[in-house]
Amino acid sequence: AQSVTQLDSQVPVFEEAPVELRCNYSSSVSVYLFWYVQYPNQGLQLLLKYLSGSTLVKGINGFEAEFNKSQTSFHLRKPSVHISDTAEYFCAVSDIQGAQKLVFGQGTRLTINP
Amino acid sequence: DGGITQSPKYLFRKEGQNVTLSCEQNLNHDAMYWYRQDPGQGLRLIYYSQIVNDFQKGDIAEGYSVSREKKESFPLTVTSAQKNPTAFYLCASSISRGGQETQYFGPGTRLLVL
Repeated sequence: AQSVTQLDSQVPVFEEAPVELRCNYSSSVSVYLFWYVQYPNQGLQLLLKYLSGSTLVKGINGFEAEFNKSQTSFHLRKPSVHISDTAEYFCAVSDIQGAQKLVFGQGTRLTINP
Repeated sequence: DGGITQSPKYLFRKEGQNVTLSCEQNLNHDAMYWYRQDPGQGLRLIYYSQIVNDFQKGDIAEGYSVSREKKESFPLTVTSAQKNPTAFYLCASSISRGGQETQYFGPGTRLLVL
């Protein structure tokens, strides 16, 4: 079984500042890793995913994440945030074998202040 | 315009009543999923279906039922056995059951108990 821990429930940041949203996972098997974003009262949208290869993954809206196998982490970063990045962000994992059953973290609410 | 539609946007349930949430997709995806979202808990998998006429329980299936009679439709029934149904319900689909596939989410249905 897998589990995902997002270490910060809320992250306030000033506009144009850098941000890092932390994600750690636990699994006895190899996993795929995902970051999703949810704007208020909407569904989730994929930001980026790590399947294999380069550990630095670039996604939409200027976000990137780095897979660190030894630390079982997949932290999300953006060098300069915008007001429109205000949203909830979810880290998720799925087993590489069998059906895709996403296991989500608790979410991190990112608030951008002007 | 391809995507996933969920209806209604808001749904009210009375004590002892069964209610059905609709999920339709025109993406020609084989796999479909239902998640429940509660504040501070992320998303939890209720049921998933990898192919028509087949579905499996997720982590919190008790008090819920589903059917998959058509590829494009995966309705969720919240039965009277679900004692705490108030939540945001999200439907998703993916092109296949592989763990690497991106799940695409609908806009969600918010269920409230009267």
